[in-house]
Amino acid sequence: KQEVTQIPAALSVPEGENLVLNCSFTDSAIYNLQWFRQDPGKGLTSLLLIQSSQREQTSGRLNASLDKSSGRSTLYIAASQPGDSATYLCAVSLDKLIFGTGTRLQVFP
Amino acid sequence: GAGVSQSPSNKVTEKGKDVELRCDPISGHTALYWYRQRLGQGLEFLIYFQGNSAPDKSGLPSDRFSAERTGESVSTLTIQRTQQEDSAVYLCASSLRGEQYFGPGTRLTVT
Repeated sequence: KQEVTQIPAALSVPEGENLVLNCSFTDSAIYNLQWFRQDPGKGLTSLLLIQSSQREQTSGRLNASLDKSSGRSTLYIAASQPGDSATYLCAVSLDKLIFGTGTRLQVFP
Repeated sequence: GAGVSQSPSNKVTEKGKDVELRCDPISGHTALYWYRQRLGQGLEFLIYFQGNSAPDKSGLPSDRFSAERTGESVSTLTIQRTQQEDSAVYLCASSLRGEQYFGPGTRLTVT
């Protein structure tokens, strides 16, 4: 059974810091891995999708890497801003998504 | 362009009543998923539709839960004889080539 773990569970940093959020999964048989952000009381916003054949994806200040053989992904956020405050979720997929429990990020000015 | 939409955004119902939640996926997306998120917990898969294939119902928590999808269009999730533990945010997502796009969710409160 696929299990997805995210560490840390919570993170509070001053504005401007570079951050690394970690995601690990137990079964490497995945089609893709997706990173989302969830703002309080709102739905999920897709940030990055990494196909199983890819090693990384970049979008603006975000970079996600995937090491399928070791069952790990990292989300790197450069030059963090208060607007980045949210819960970040990783999810792995064969068809349905299996979600981690998230990292709650707070960036303070 | 239009994203995934869900209705209602909020629903309060009495224990024992039936509820229907609606999802309108992104036009052209062949796959549609339902998830739920109970307070303080992670997202749980409920059911998955892909084209004309039989749906994957493996995540439905009990036979009180059912879902239908009309072709590659709207889907309804029905919960019969609601219980307090059904209180959650119900999220719908659609996809075409793997990346899933989520709607804003329906917050269901069973009193």
